[in-house]
Amino acid sequence: AQSVSQHNHHVILSEAASLELGCNYSYGGTVNLFWYVQYPGQHLQLLLKYFSGDPLVKGIKGFEAEFIKSKFSFNLRKPSVQWSDTAEYFCAVKTPTDKLIFGTGTRLQVFP
Amino acid sequence: GAGVSQSPSNKVTEKGKDVELRCDPISGHTALYWYRQSLGQGLEFLIYFQGNSAPDKSGLPSDRFSAERTGGSVSTLTIQRTQQEDSAVYLCASSPPGKTQYFGPGTRLLVL
Repeated sequence: AQSVSQHNHHVILSEAASLELGCNYSYGGTVNLFWYVQYPGQHLQLLLKYFSGDPLVKGIKGFEAEFIKSKFSFNLRKPSVQWSDTAEYFCAVKTPTDKLIFGTGTRLQVFP
Repeated sequence: GAGVSQSPSNKVTEKGKDVELRCDPISGHTALYWYRQSLGQGLEFLIYFQGNSAPDKSGLPSDRFSAERTGGSVSTLTIQRTQQEDSAVYLCASSPPGKTQYFGPGTRLLVL
């Protein structure tokens, strides 16, 4: 069965620090991968996605993620975080039946 | 255009009562998904509709849960004889077939 692991459950950073959130998935076939973000009190929003092509994908608000097939990873990065990036971040893989399998989420707190 | 809408935004009910949760997808999106977000279980898939049919119901936790979709648009998730463990945020998402899913704000259900 497909699964997604996010090993960082809670990350605390100061503004301007660099961010990398880990995501590993288990599935041997073609994968569609996503990062969603949930800001406090708001609904899930798409941050970025990978379907095919360039394994380095850029999303909104300066976020990017790199698909490394050999490592089954899709880590999220941002060179310099802001207080407004405080949120919960979810990695997800889409199954062949189109449902999303989510990781457990990473709560990011950024302090000024 | 308008995003996915869900109603009610909050629902408090007594154990044993039935509840109905509604989802209005983005116009033109033929695929509709229900997920559940709870503290202990994270984000879990419940059911997927393509048009009015549900090719994947594998995530429904028990036969107390059912869902329908009419006219290829609005969907209703019904929970019968609610239990305290049903307390969660119920999320709806819609998409064109096989494309990115866009989420609604969710219905927060509390079973007392």
